[in-house]
Amino acid sequence: KNEVEQSPQNLTAQEGEFITINCSYSVGISALHWLQQHPGGGIVSLFMLSSGKKKHGRLIATINIQEKHSSLHITASHPRDSAVYICAVSNSNSGYALNFGKGTSLLVTP
Amino acid sequence: AAGVIQSPRHLIKEKRETATLKCYPIPRHDTVYWYQQGPGQDPQFLISFYEKMQSDKGSIPDRFSAQQFSDYHSELNMSSLELGDSALYFCASSPGLNTGELFFGEGSRLTVL
Repeated sequence: KNEVEQSPQNLTAQEGEFITINCSYSVGISALHWLQQHPGGGIVSLFMLSSGKKKHGRLIATINIQEKHSSLHITASHPRDSAVYICAVSNSNSGYALNFGKGTSLLVTP
Repeated sequence: AAGVIQSPRHLIKEKRETATLKCYPIPRHDTVYWYQQGPGQDPQFLISFYEKMQSDKGSIPDRFSAQQFSDYHSELNMSSLELGDSALYFCASSPGLNTGELFFGEGSRLTVL
């Protein structure tokens, strides 16, 4: 099983701050996903990465395949960004099913 | 745009009863994944389907079964329910294995009393 480690586990930031969440994994992957989960359940896919960098609005995700590491950055954070951010990886050996990290709980205060 | 639809959203059952959860993927998505997320836990993969065939199997109990139908919707059948089955069950769909982003349903919350 691919071990997926996220850091930090919990993060509190003030509105406007730049936020970084890190993810490392132990085995080669087909793709890495960054997901957002709000209290009450629903999961939203933010990014799917297999190399390089992607940007969507204030969110940026990068991945370094050689180092088995990915980062999710949030610029100009806002209280509505408060959620759990989950890193998950997929691999052809497991039929591309996701193996999830424990998540990073982010609270952005006004 | 159409999203992944799960039903029911909430379900309360008693021990030893059965439950069926349904997942309707995004149109033209042929791949469905089921995940179980217990209280305070990270999601665990249960089972997946690609083109109406089982693609992979995770930590799905023998009491559970699932299938994907000709219209690509999927059903997760759970029998002899136990208290530990109380969880949020997510379905996700994608346009093929590892060919695109995953889209998640809102989840079905099962409570077993």
